[in-house]
Amino acid sequence: GESVGLHLPTLSVQEGDNSIINCAYSNSASDYFIWYKQESGKGPQFIIDIRSNMDKRQGQRVTVLLNKTVKHLSLQIAATQPGDSAVYFCAEGYTGGFKTIFGAGTRLFVKA
Amino acid sequence: GAVVSQHPSWVICKSGTSVKIECRSLDFQATTMFWYRQFPKQSLMLMATSNEGSKATYEQGVEKDKFLINHASLTLSTLTVTSAHPEDSSFYICSAKGLAGRNEQFFGPGTRLTVL
Repeated sequence: GESVGLHLPTLSVQEGDNSIINCAYSNSASDYFIWYKQESGKGPQFIIDIRSNMDKRQGQRVTVLLNKTVKHLSLQIAATQPGDSAVYFCAEGYTGGFKTIFGAGTRLFVKA
Repeated sequence: GAVVSQHPSWVICKSGTSVKIECRSLDFQATTMFWYRQFPKQSLMLMATSNEGSKATYEQGVEKDKFLINHASLTLSTLTVTSAHPEDSSFYICSAKGLAGRNEQFFGPGTRLTVL
């Protein structure tokens, strides 16, 4: 199957600080990008998405930035809380298509 | 809304037996369901895409005769791991897509399979 089966990089932040999680995607044809949060032993939860005609989208405490030139996606979490500790995956797909391909993921640790 | 369930949540079986995992969309009709496998500390790897009433499309390297997928209705897809072996032990996650005008997938809670 497609996706990158690498061991997860880790980001450790202090509670209250902002977190930035980065992701590089692979397919230039992708026009829809999603960030998911996965807690241990659970399925992924949708956080926020963005289409390729945008370069920034904000949600509650989260912001996604898209740089199509370098095929880079980032997730910013403001005022990170202990409950944000999880693995975060970016995923790419395209409008009208079916498949969503997951990136490698980043484990976020929030220190109290 | 948009809840996806999986059953069982975990299963332990002996090598050589077959295991069936169910994925249900509880409050919407899922035209497309996806099956993923996730090994510890790794990302989700797409195994196959199933559309209701048609044969599943398997990703490269996934054996269709070993991982049987049946999408019998708009709310149910099943994955059967046939003749399971210890290397099939993994976390299997399904997702469903189908809300009108929405591109996002809704994920089930996953099924932990351990093959002894």
